[in-house]
Amino acid sequence: DGGITQSPKYLFRKEGQNVTLSCEQNLNHDAMYWYRQDPGQGLRLIYYSQIVNDFQKGDIAEGYSVSREKKESFPLTVTSAQKNPTAFYLCASVQGRNQPQHFGDGTRLSIL
Amino acid sequence: AQSVAQPEDQVNVAEGNPLTVKCTYSVSGNPYLFWYVQYPNRGLQFLLKYITGDNLVKGSYGFEAEFNKSQTSFHLKKPSALVSDSALYFCAVRDRGGDYKLSFGAGTTVTVRA
Repeated sequence: DGGITQSPKYLFRKEGQNVTLSCEQNLNHDAMYWYRQDPGQGLRLIYYSQIVNDFQKGDIAEGYSVSREKKESFPLTVTSAQKNPTAFYLCASVQGRNQPQHFGDGTRLSIL
Repeated sequence: AQSVAQPEDQVNVAEGNPLTVKCTYSVSGNPYLFWYVQYPNRGLQFLLKYITGDNLVKGSYGFEAEFNKSQTSFHLKKPSALVSDSALYFCAVRDRGGDYKLSFGAGTTVTVRA
């Protein structure tokens, strides 16, 4: 079955440490997204990519970085510059402007 | 600019009663509208979408939504709620003439009591 795989499911970060969240899709979708979910705030867009080797900042990109070297992969790095990284991170992909985004099952990041 | 408002943080209904989750939107052009459901520690699951045509859209698990352009609303409805419908529901909008970004509401927690 096609879908989006996010790993790990749970991740812990130490002070001053960068961590990378994995997102892989086998849906052959061009566009991929990273969202941050905090209680009561809905989903906020961190970064998105509409095509390989290109990506744009979303609404809350500070302290995060991404790469899009392959169509199926869109990893997110949470850097030490992100002072409040504790959240649930969701990856999504879509093909077509009027189609719904498909979501992975998320990674929950906490501070040690 | 585009945005979504879900005016109710929580909706509580008895099993078997009708369920309504409200959503209003704002876009500069014409909208694509979506409803998603999220269960604890899971990703979002797509329920239904409005693209064009009939204002009443039917989706998964018996849910439907009515697009009202004059009121800029897209309320989610289910005639007879189930306990298993208890979850977090998100409305989302994209401007038809804009880029591929979706804007999400803050979410509405639905609790269906037996």
